[in-house]
Amino acid sequence: QKEVEQDPGPLSVPEGAIVSLNCTYSNSAFQYFMWYRQYSRKGPELLMYTYSSGNKEDGRFTAQVDKSSKYISLFIRDSQPSDSATYLCAMRSASGTSYGKLTFGQGTILTVHP
Amino acid sequence: KAGVTQTPRYLIKTRGQQVTLSCSPISGHRSVSWYQQTPGQGLQFLFEYFSETQRNKGNFPGRFSGRQFSNSRSEMNVSTLELGDSALYLCASSLAFGAVWNEQFFGPGTRLTVL
Repeated sequence: QKEVEQDPGPLSVPEGAIVSLNCTYSNSAFQYFMWYRQYSRKGPELLMYTYSSGNKEDGRFTAQVDKSSKYISLFIRDSQPSDSATYLCAMRSASGTSYGKLTFGQGTILTVHP
Repeated sequence: KAGVTQTPRYLIKTRGQQVTLSCSPISGHRSVSWYQQTPGQGLQFLFEYFSETQRNKGNFPGRFSGRQFSNSRSEMNVSTLELGDSALYLCASSLAFGAVWNEQFFGPGTRLTVL
C-alpha cells in the first residue's frame, strides 16, 4: 500500500464548478502538506502548503488538513478552464533526515470545460 | 530570476546503455533533489544533495546515482538502462537543507525513453 493515496480521476467539471481533490496518507510523521499543480510538459509548481492540521485559503483555493483522519483536501472555487492540469498532493516530515524528501500522491487529472 | 534548468529535455536510449542528466538550480539555491515520474508510480523521490553530499536517498537500485558540484549544479546517472526506466526525471532546487520549511522549485524535466 502506498504511503499517500490519491484518486487519479480523471475529473471533468464545467466552468464555475467547485472542485474537491483529496488525499489520504498513512505516515503519522508527515507534518507539511502541499498541493502542486502540473501543466502538460511542465514541472510541478507549488500551489499551497499547510503545516499540521487546519485550513488555509488563497484566493479561489482552500487547503484543509485533518491529521486525526490522515486526510487532506484542496477546494477550487469558481473553477476556470486555465485550472485544467494535474493536481498532486505531497507530504513530508519535519524532522530527522527527511527534510527534502517529498512523498507524492498519484495526481488527479482535472479538466474544466467552458 | 531564471528557474531550474534541465538538460537535455528529451533523450532516447537503448537497453543496457547509460545516461547522464544535468540540472542547474536557481541561483543561490544549494540543495537539489531528483524525482522520477511515471504514469504507473507517479512522482518518486530518488535522492537529495546539499554541499556536494547526498543527504537523503529513496528506494531505487544502485544503478541510479548522482552527484553535486561545488557550484550546486547536479547530475544524475542511470547505468544499464532498462525499459522500466522510461520516465520524466525532475530536478527540484531549494535554498538549503534542513530548514523547517523549504520550498522546492521544479524544473521542466528530462523525458527519457528507453527502447
